[in-house]
Amino acid sequence: DQQVKQNSPSLSVQEGRISILNCDYTNSMFDYFLWYKKYPAEGPTFLISISSIKDKNEDGRFTVFLNKSAKHLSLHIVPSQPGDSAVYFCAAKRRDISGGSNYKLTFGKGTLLTVNP
Amino acid sequence: ETGVTQSPTHLIKTRGQQVTLRCSSQSGHNTVSWYQQALGQGPQFIFQYYREEENGRGNFPPRFSGLQFPNYSSELNVNALELDDSALYLCASSLRTGPSYEQYFGPGTRLTVT
Repeated sequence: DQQVKQNSPSLSVQEGRISILNCDYTNSMFDYFLWYKKYPAEGPTFLISISSIKDKNEDGRFTVFLNKSAKHLSLHIVPSQPGDSAVYFCAAKRRDISGGSNYKLTFGKGTLLTVNP
Repeated sequence: ETGVTQSPTHLIKTRGQQVTLRCSSQSGHNTVSWYQQALGQGPQFIFQYYREEENGRGNFPPRFSGLQFPNYSSELNVNALELDDSALYLCASSLRTGPSYEQYFGPGTRLTVT
């Protein structure tokens, strides 16, 4: 049962245009969402995050939008640059109802973004 | 500030053998999580350690075990290796407290089981 889904395995965009990466989730207990970028032979690098109580978070060229009713989030990159070419993972953290702080992250399968010069 | 480091980078083992992977946390981080990333998949949570104790475990059998040391470094041990254990093993460190849930990943150890 895949709780975090990235349905597009790949996306190709021209340099300077907008890249939109999508992510859907099924577990309503998720309360925090993160995007990671991964280059080959490197570990995932944290990009941007959003709490479930917000609907938008912006950091420079990166903006994450959250639509809780649709259980959908998206990452916008504007303008896209060739150096943005990488695999992008959507990840989610579940609210710990026991009051603890379990930092388990559930990841999607990733989307390969290619930005063409 | 030192980032997360992992060793070795690559490893080849035979089915049935045992393996130990090592991780050094980012400076100041007290929590370590281990993930398995199979080819074409996202990272899957194995377990997490805080204050040298396991704090949460994913859907992995007991032959996957770990340790956290007083300096917050960590080991992942896998016994009775199976072919399906071939994957990239990622270690991530984080701070237990605070509003941020960001985890910082190391470069990973590529394990091949033949």
